[in-house]
Amino acid sequence: AQSVAQPEDQVNVAEGNPLTVKCTYSVSGNPYLFWYVQYPNRGLQFLLKYITGDNLVKGSYGFEAEFNKSQTSFHLKKPSALVSDSALYFCAVRDIYRGSTLGRLYFGRGTQLTVWP
Amino acid sequence: DVKVTQSSRYLVKRTGEKVFLECVQDMDHENMFWYRQDPGLGLRLIYFSYDVKMKEKGDIPEGYSVSREKKERFSLILESASTNQTSMYLCASSPPGYNSYEQYFGPGTRLTVT
Repeated sequence: AQSVAQPEDQVNVAEGNPLTVKCTYSVSGNPYLFWYVQYPNRGLQFLLKYITGDNLVKGSYGFEAEFNKSQTSFHLKKPSALVSDSALYFCAVRDIYRGSTLGRLYFGRGTQLTVWP
Repeated sequence: DVKVTQSSRYLVKRTGEKVFLECVQDMDHENMFWYRQDPGLGLRLIYFSYDVKMKEKGDIPEGYSVSREKKERFSLILESASTNQTSMYLCASSPPGYNSYEQYFGPGTRLTVT
């Protein structure tokens, strides 16, 4: 089965510094990878995805993610963190349900990002 | 704009009660999903549906059932609520087909069972 792991429960970074939120994956076949963000008391919002092509994927709010096939990683990055980036971040991998075309997502446990002033 | 709504943001129920959580999407999506979110466990899939009146079990279906009588509405039912079902419940939808990658989430319902 497909799975993702987020090795850090929490990441703390000062505003203006670069940030990285880590994700590793385990899939059979080509990986379809996603990052979602959850602000307090809100649902999940889509940030970016990797399907194919360029290993550096750009997404919303200045975030980007680097797909590394040899390390089976898909780390989320931002060059300069903002206090407003503080949120819960989820990595996810897509799988196809039983030979159909229906996709389902497997989520990691989440990483709480705190950016302080 | 894409919109998924859930009937309640906060809900408090007693043990043994039958609980209905409603989800409505206005994007004409075929696929709909119910997750529960618990600290340290991430999101776990309870049930999903790929068409009206169709449903499939996810990873943790025990104690839950679902109903999808109309395309836009997907209901999660707790037949007899228990305290271990206290959680955040998230609904999501996605369009059909192999190229449908993203899921769109509602704001969530925080359910407390006492």
